[in-house]
Amino acid sequence: GAGVSQSPSNKVTEKGKDVELRCDPISGHTALYWYRQRLGQGLEFLIYFQGNSAPDKSGLPSDRFSAERTGESVSTLTIQRTQQEDSAVYLCASSYVRGEAETQYFGPGTRLLVL
Amino acid sequence: KQEVTQIPAALSVPEGENLVLNCSFTDSAIYNLQWFRQDPGKGLTSLLLIQSSQREQTSGRLNASLDKSSGRSTLYIAASQPGDSATYLCAVSPYYGGSQGNLIFGKGTKLSVKP
Repeated sequence: GAGVSQSPSNKVTEKGKDVELRCDPISGHTALYWYRQRLGQGLEFLIYFQGNSAPDKSGLPSDRFSAERTGESVSTLTIQRTQQEDSAVYLCASSYVRGEAETQYFGPGTRLLVL
Repeated sequence: KQEVTQIPAALSVPEGENLVLNCSFTDSAIYNLQWFRQDPGKGLTSLLLIQSSQREQTSGRLNASLDKSSGRSTLYIAASQPGDSATYLCAVSPYYGGSQGNLIFGKGTKLSVKP
């Protein structure tokens, strides 16, 4: 079956512009996560959606970052007024909540370069 | 604050060798621990998931162990092959009292298996 998909796969933008990244989770997965991976760094958690509950935004690095998800479908991550330090690979993952046995399935990522 | 450390950061071995990758974490209150593989330009692939009540998991040539009390996990790869070359990431799911939240990742071990 189809896995997690993300678009675009690559994005080059100028400092100060807004960008929108998209994630299509696996059908039926109620949980959706956004992470970012900066060069030479580990993955950093950004935001977590679970069903209709309020999202966990504790990982968002600044108020320039926001994300939305409608129900259990597509999610968009928006970065406003991009800065060079926003350059990273942004990874989306989805899962079916199963307690300790829950496995997250990752998309291929969006590589963002801010010039 | 949970921190995950992986040693070594990079490893180069000849084909056929057995090898061990190490992961340590600072807080033993976890739901599970997962090992992922990341290939250049691609997303993460889940290899093994060990629930907090388990000691080890095996899949093919891979065996992962978990010692929660000491905050350690190892990933054992038997009879390594050039196709095993990738970055291996360890991640823990912190215990949130009933629901899984985000994963906390180490920075990874970059493995190169030479023919």
